[in-house]
Amino acid sequence: ETGVTQSPTHLIKTRGQQVTLRCSSQSGHNTVSWYQQALGQGPQFIFQYYREEENGRGNFPPRFSGLQFPNYSSELNVNALELDDSALYLCASSLQGSREQFFGPGTRLTVL
Amino acid sequence: DAKTTQPPSMDCAEGRAANLPCNHSTISGNEYVYWYRQIHSQGPQYIIHGLKNNETNEMASLIITEDRKSSTLILPHATLRDTAVYYCIVHGSSNTGKLIFGQGTTLQVKP
Repeated sequence: ETGVTQSPTHLIKTRGQQVTLRCSSQSGHNTVSWYQQALGQGPQFIFQYYREEENGRGNFPPRFSGLQFPNYSSELNVNALELDDSALYLCASSLQGSREQFFGPGTRLTVL
Repeated sequence: DAKTTQPPSMDCAEGRAANLPCNHSTISGNEYVYWYRQIHSQGPQYIIHGLKNNETNEMASLIITEDRKSSTLILPHATLRDTAVYYCIVHGSSNTGKLIFGQGTTLQVKP
């Protein structure tokens, strides 16, 4: 059974640029959630995808967007990057209705 | 969303039980208590969850008070590898995947 994987592991961008982060769900999982974790803070929920549609969103602006593909993998896109977007971005997969989420190792994004 | 309160840090001697408290006084009747932990530079890891009965698995035990306003996560024999940030989360079925993480408790297991 393959766990949740994320790519890339590290990324450096400059203000105003756009970034795409990728996540592969654990085998059989149909739901993907994305979280942002600033240094020294707990993860903050960005949004969740189920059946290729957004199924819940946290307090993040529209420049944070996502996609889920038929194989349940997912992308997080962030436009017009700001310095405060520097964080660890975590992806978590689960089965819809399950109470346990499985997290990937995260992508460390640095915005200069 | 119900909120939780945890001590910011705790120490525990290796081999001893680690008891991590959590207050969730505004928990609703259909909300579960979840515990996750995050070891440095890794994604959070699910530990255990419960509604009102005490729960035990291979990692830990969860003790929930009768009024459900607080709970304790017990690691029966802490090892150095248990050093991590432990998050107590209250989550209901209507919240989709939205886990609300607080600051958590940093547990330092010492030799």
